[in-house]
Amino acid sequence: EADIYQTPRYLVIGTGKKITLECSQTMGHDKMYWYQQDPGMELHLIHYSYGVNSTEKGDLSSESTVSRIRTEHFPLTLESARPSHTSQYLCASSEPPGPGTTDTQYFGPGTRLTVL
Amino acid sequence: KNEVEQSPQNLTAQEGEFITINCSYSVGISALHWLQQHPGGGIVSLFMLSSGKKKHGRLIATINIQEKHSSLHITASHPRDSAVYICAASGAGSYQLTFGKGTKLSVIP
Repeated sequence: EADIYQTPRYLVIGTGKKITLECSQTMGHDKMYWYQQDPGMELHLIHYSYGVNSTEKGDLSSESTVSRIRTEHFPLTLESARPSHTSQYLCASSEPPGPGTTDTQYFGPGTRLTVL
Repeated sequence: KNEVEQSPQNLTAQEGEFITINCSYSVGISALHWLQQHPGGGIVSLFMLSSGKKKHGRLIATINIQEKHSSLHITASHPRDSAVYICAASGAGSYQLTFGKGTKLSVIP
């Protein structure tokens, strides 16, 4: 059973507001990821982290930023939300492959963001 | 850049039917993942495989490295199998995934 949590699950907010999407996992995984998914479309990686104080941008350009101060916590922030940011945001974590482990990614339930 | 293509995009089946979803990728990979996304948006990892075949319950995943092709099979399909099935490839030396667009499966009673 994966233990990865995202809050809020749903968020409707006005243009220009600053928002932070929370993601936390209790599995001690070093690797964490943020994906963006528009309705009916594939997931795109927007940020990832291989450990504390490590963050990288993914394939899809995003105006959001992330931080990784603690292993279990990987929040995503939008300084000024716009309607183009309306999407579903999914957080995931994984452990490196090794004896008895796989690099299976465990996904959180997602946050559906609507910016008016 | 690895391209991941899935077919079909949409699939409707009668309960009990045998279902096959296909996935092809363009470059060498370290592993191929099959994921299930429910209507509420949650994603569950079904399989990760780098060769051969894996089975879990009524689900079977196969991969042919030479042909750069993988299939997901569902035996004795059930309405609760209705979901979007996503194929994703992780590149050699990378933990990042490239995703297909998904196959939306609807199983009718």
